[in-house]
Amino acid sequence: TQLLEQSPQFLSIQEGENLTVYCNSSSVFSSLQWYRQEPGEGPVLLVTVVTGGEVKKLKRLTFQFGDARKDSSLHITAAQPGDTGLYLCAKSLPGGATNKLIFGTGTLLAVQP
Amino acid sequence: GAVVSQHPSRVICKSGTSVKIECRSLDFQATTMFWYRQFPKKSLMLMATSNEGSKATYEQGVEKDKFLINHASLTLSTLTVTSAHPEDSSFYICSARQPREGREQFFGPGTRLTVL
Repeated sequence: TQLLEQSPQFLSIQEGENLTVYCNSSSVFSSLQWYRQEPGEGPVLLVTVVTGGEVKKLKRLTFQFGDARKDSSLHITAAQPGDTGLYLCAKSLPGGATNKLIFGTGTLLAVQP
Repeated sequence: GAVVSQHPSRVICKSGTSVKIECRSLDFQATTMFWYRQFPKKSLMLMATSNEGSKATYEQGVEKDKFLINHASLTLSTLTVTSAHPEDSSFYICSARQPREGREQFFGPGTRLTVL
């Protein structure tokens, strides 16, 4: 069962434009992760946010965790074709030692040169 | 970061045959590994949690007799798709977690299964 809704589902933009991807849940996260996945590969972790209101920056990517810890956003400035990929948010479900990851519905980004 | 490999990267098989996919943690010991399934342009769906030395824990709706998981060592988990059918065609991804609680999961490169 998908517990995390991402929007938009698809996004096609021109190189140099800015964009924001959203990740929302009806329940509180203890922490949230953002991944990027390229076609035919596994997801790669971009960032983990833990504290409500937290903002983290990774070059042109800015990640924000909502104050209530029920939502997060990823903002990309001056997008480049290399940013193309599937962006996934994920939260951990506490489960003893296993700590399962539940992924969001995903945002497929295409940056046109 | 830690490296996780999968083998094979691609496999094509006939309907009714069984296919085994391996997931290895190359530079760390993983007491827990996870198996995901992904349809084109869709998100990852957790299938099961593989625990070294014990039975796997399957998510609701995943047939344990269809998707056999074995975690025989601290660096290897295998997923066997038994009596595969075309609807089993998908991208299967594993991940491995370092032993301490809350540690990051490292993902394999995935295996593309096509059942004819």
